[in-house]
Amino acid sequence: GENVEQHPSTLSVQEGDSAVIKCTYSDSASNYFPWYKQELGKGPQLIIDIRSNVGEKKDQRIAVTLNKTAKHFSLHITETQPEDSAVYFCAASPLYTGRRALTFGSGTRLQVQP
Amino acid sequence: EPEVTQTPSHQVTQMGQEVILRCVPISNHLYFYWYRQILGQKVEFLVSFYNNEISEKSEIFDDQFSVERPDGSNFTLKIRSTKLEDSAMYFCASSDGENEQFFGPGTRLTVL
Repeated sequence: GENVEQHPSTLSVQEGDSAVIKCTYSDSASNYFPWYKQELGKGPQLIIDIRSNVGEKKDQRIAVTLNKTAKHFSLHITETQPEDSAVYFCAASPLYTGRRALTFGSGTRLQVQP
Repeated sequence: EPEVTQTPSHQVTQMGQEVILRCVPISNHLYFYWYRQILGQKVEFLVSFYNNEISEKSEIFDDQFSVERPDGSNFTLKIRSTKLEDSAMYFCASSDGENEQFFGPGTRLTVL
């Protein structure tokens, strides 16, 4: 089955700096890669996703890149703000094969220092 | 904005007891999921449900677990005989099948 590795496990940045979180996946059938933000006591919330037919996607301060050949994808947050502090999870799914189960990475705790 | 809701927010039970966790998915979604997150660990897939039957399940989802859509709005996860290691946060999610999965706030299950 799919295995998703995520690093770093913790990341501390100064407000205004950029943060980068990286994930690798093992199953070449995976074609959908969402990123979720989880705040304390809440469920994961999607912040951005990318499908295997594109290499990069951007939404304001958040961008995701995908390298299918190397089987890795990354989350980039620019101009970080204290409210970006949370746990971020990457995930992978073979969405277009009829299977939809998300396999999650182990999470990155991002702390943005004011 | 439509959202997935879950009840209860916290459930405490004795080992060996049955528990039912409830979810109300987003109304026009057709795919429903349960995931769990043991404290401090990654979110793990349990089961997906479509057209009134299980479409996928993980190795975690053994005979102790079952899911049901008893009416047009609720989606439930039943654990027949809880074990200490079932203590976790259980998340329900729903999707239209082609796009993102929306997660509920979770039910924290504590097995004593």
